[in-house]
Amino acid sequence: DAKTTQPNSMESNEEEPVHLPCNHSTISGTDYIHWYRQLPSQGPEYVIHGLTSNVNNRMASLAIAVDRKSSTLILHRATLRDAAVYYCIRTNAGGTSYGKLTFGQGTILTVHP
Amino acid sequence: DTAVSQTPKYLVTQMGNDKSIKCEQNLGHDTMYWYKQDSKKFLKIMFSYNNKELIINETVPNRFSPKSPDKAHLNLHINSLELGDSAVYFCASSPGRRGNSPLHFGNGTRLTVT
Repeated sequence: DAKTTQPNSMESNEEEPVHLPCNHSTISGTDYIHWYRQLPSQGPEYVIHGLTSNVNNRMASLAIAVDRKSSTLILHRATLRDAAVYYCIRTNAGGTSYGKLTFGQGTILTVHP
Repeated sequence: DTAVSQTPKYLVTQMGNDKSIKCEQNLGHDTMYWYKQDSKKFLKIMFSYNNKELIINETVPNRFSPKSPDKAHLNLHINSLELGDSAVYFCASSPGRRGNSPLHFGNGTRLTVT
């Protein structure tokens, strides 16, 4: 069971950084950590993923603990458009995963003006 | 330019009917998927196709039959619709089959069975 644990909800103010935590204490050495988000009435949107090292892209940064049992998605300056449900997902690097994403309940991020 | 497009966006139908949802991706991806999001907002994979070949079938009832005429299209046909089939269905695609390939999702088809 590719389980992760996230807080049910978080709040932020506009233009402030947001740190969204995720625990994945049973992660295996070949599991990637993916983050997706789902805006209201839209499909999930890929945000970022990583294996061991911290990762940055135009949307966010991903900080992965040294023991890989937890990670944090960082939105450097939240905007109202970032209000969404954020999902932290473990994926197996190979084998027969074939894009089988196991979505949990995610973290509902509210951004206040 | 829409990457993964689904039609229709909304579908309202009666129990017992047969309906189809179409999906097309213009990303050149080899792998396509159908996911279902129920009323509690949980997303679960239903099917995965790679180059028109069925890879994953997650114990979905036989009433659901995916069809992939080519690698850019993956349609979902549902026979004998039931109330419990009401959900949002998302199509997705990815450039590969490995676990580090990001998925690109469409915006969903909201199916309501009355």
